[in-house]
Amino acid sequence: NAGVTQTPKFQVLKTGQSMTLQCAQDMNHEYMSWYRQDPGMGLRLIHYSVGAGITDQGEVPNGYNVSRSTTEDFPLRLLSAAPSQTSVYFCASKLGESGRRRSYGYTFGSGTRLTVV
Amino acid sequence: RKEVEQDPGPFNVPEGATVAFNCTYSNSASQSFFWYRQDCRKEPKLLMSVYSSGNEDGRFTAQLNRASQYISLLIRDSKLSDSATYLCVVPPGGYNKLIFGAGTRLAVHP
Repeated sequence: NAGVTQTPKFQVLKTGQSMTLQCAQDMNHEYMSWYRQDPGMGLRLIHYSVGAGITDQGEVPNGYNVSRSTTEDFPLRLLSAAPSQTSVYFCASKLGESGRRRSYGYTFGSGTRLTVV
Repeated sequence: RKEVEQDPGPFNVPEGATVAFNCTYSNSASQSFFWYRQDCRKEPKLLMSVYSSGNEDGRFTAQLNRASQYISLLIRDSKLSDSATYLCVVPPGGYNKLIFGAGTRLAVHP
């Protein structure tokens, strides 16, 4: 049981390049989210998904795209990298809210440290 | 006003001390709350969930005051291993989105 796996762990991009941050979970979690963490600002929600085929925007979605074709995978695409996107990116997942299941917190991946030069 | 506000810290305390962190939230629709712990350059990890007036887990106690929209985390008998950043997390009416506070850094020294 690997939990939430993010790849790559580190990445350097040039301004204007595109790339995809990968996120996979093996816990059959319905909910998945992408956050970015910048110094002094806490974690901010980029995009989230409540199930396969369903995605929505968070607080800071501009410059990022997501898709959720399977329950397991939730990739984050940077369309045209900018220095302002230099950050640490975390993917997280949790069980959904159906029935009487208790709403435990999210499980986070170990993060991707992205630098855009 | 930010949706979630925390004591800025850092808190520097000796081993064995009792320390408390505060967190205020603005969305009165929030029903449950979380405290996460984040070590330097690591991912956040769930420390405690708070669903009613409070929750206790060993040396850690979380309390909720809905009227004042205020959450606290109390750590008793601090250990060196408690040194970390503590994040207050609020789901604003649903669990598909979490709003994080900026965190409070705790440093426990010998």
